[in-house]
Amino acid sequence: QLRLQESGPGLVKPSETLSLTCTVSGGSISSSDHYWGWIRQPPGKGLEWIGSVYYGGSSYYNPSLNSRVTILVDTSRNQFSLNLRSVTAADTAVYFCARLMYYGDYLDYWGQGNLVTVSS
Amino acid sequence: QSALTQPPSASGPPGQSVTISCTGTSNDVGGYNYVSWYQQHPGKAPQLMIYEVIKRPSGVPDRFSGSKSGNTASLTVSGLQAEDEADYYCSSYAGSNNVVFGGGTKLTVL
Repeated sequence: QLRLQESGPGLVKPSETLSLTCTVSGGSISSSDHYWGWIRQPPGKGLEWIGSVYYGGSSYYNPSLNSRVTILVDTSRNQFSLNLRSVTAADTAVYFCARLMYYGDYLDYWGQGNLVTVSS
Repeated sequence: QSALTQPPSASGPPGQSVTISCTGTSNDVGGYNYVSWYQQHPGKAPQLMIYEVIKRPSGVPDRFSGSKSGNTASLTVSGLQAEDEADYYCSSYAGSNNVVFGGGTKLTVL
């Protein structure tokens, strides 16, 4: 059974960089049928797409976050990561990693989520 | 890209049917048959309920069904049960390897 697990700090200071890692177990990240994505959910609010990465390294970002986001993949560790630069309180959210189907663009496996608070 | 439009709330008594709408544009919902629906219980990760407009993953009850007409997709939950009470989100492929979500609908089983 595929499992995704987010890891990273729960508290980040304003203007710093938020960094999270998603570890994939029970399957290979080097799958031609899937992308690997990040989604966030501010407290009490809806889901927001952040972006995705393919095992070959190609990455795609939400235009509204494009200037601050980098998503990388490490196939040797079966992990992918999120860096969000210059954070503010508006970036406080639960961050989810998920598997995205290459065709169909649906998210069929999700991590449990990692709450990141931006505060000094 | 703008979020897809969903009603903030929906409700119905046990055993009845409820339909939740998800309105986008020709650049997302109307342009592709790549609409999916997710159920989220409080404090949990979303769970895929419908993909590619009408398809159900294994394990999802057939009480859940999806459809689309033009720029509007819909999720219908038939034979409402207490455990169906949750938040529901639609999403769609929006071109250029991007995905857009709806604002979410809180479903209450009366």
